[in-house]
Amino acid sequence: AQSVTQLGSHVSVSEGALVLLRCNYSSSVPPYLFWYVQYPNQGLQLLLKYTSAATLVKGINGFEAEFKKSETSFHLTKPSAHMSDAAEYFCAVPYLNAGGTSYGKLTFGQGTILTVHP
Amino acid sequence: EAQVTQNPRYLITVTGKKLTVTCSQNMNHEYMSWYRQDPGLGLRQIYYSMNVEVTDKGDVPEGYKVSRKEKRNFPLILESPSPNQTSLYFCASRWGDRPYNEQFFGPGTRLTVL
Repeated sequence: AQSVTQLGSHVSVSEGALVLLRCNYSSSVPPYLFWYVQYPNQGLQLLLKYTSAATLVKGINGFEAEFKKSETSFHLTKPSAHMSDAAEYFCAVPYLNAGGTSYGKLTFGQGTILTVHP
Repeated sequence: EAQVTQNPRYLITVTGKKLTVTCSQNMNHEYMSWYRQDPGLGLRQIYYSMNVEVTDKGDVPEGYKVSRKEKRNFPLILESPSPNQTSLYFCASRWGDRPYNEQFFGPGTRLTVL
């Protein structure tokens, strides 16, 4: 089954430090991956997506992610954390049936809560 | 402004009292979904719709109903809510059938069933 696993339900960093949020995908996933961010009391917002055009994907707010097939990973990084980055982050993969139809469904990882302290 | 709206944002109810959570999008999207979010489980799809009058079950459909009579609206119905349906609910929409198209999410509805 297509799935993604996020390692670490909570990550805490200092302001200005590197942010690294981990996501590993199952080998059966299609070549599309997403990172979404959820700020407190808000819906999910797309940070970036991988569509096989380039392995290094740049997103909004200074985030980027690198697709590594050999490691089945799509980790999210940001060189310097800001207080406003505190949120919950989700890695997700579109579900595809045997015929290649997605039915608008995303399969999400468990989420990682990022805390940024001064 | 392109958006997905949900109402109400917060709801406290009692077991067995029917309720409806509304969802509306103004982007003319064909695909719409309902998800529930529970701690440690991420988001799980409840129901989805590919267009007007076309709906189907997602991963956790038990205890829920949906309808899609108009393209813009996709209400979620709990006919007899139970405490295990206490959760944070999100409506989402997407244009077209390409799996890499972005899904747009509403702000969420926090439901508590006593």
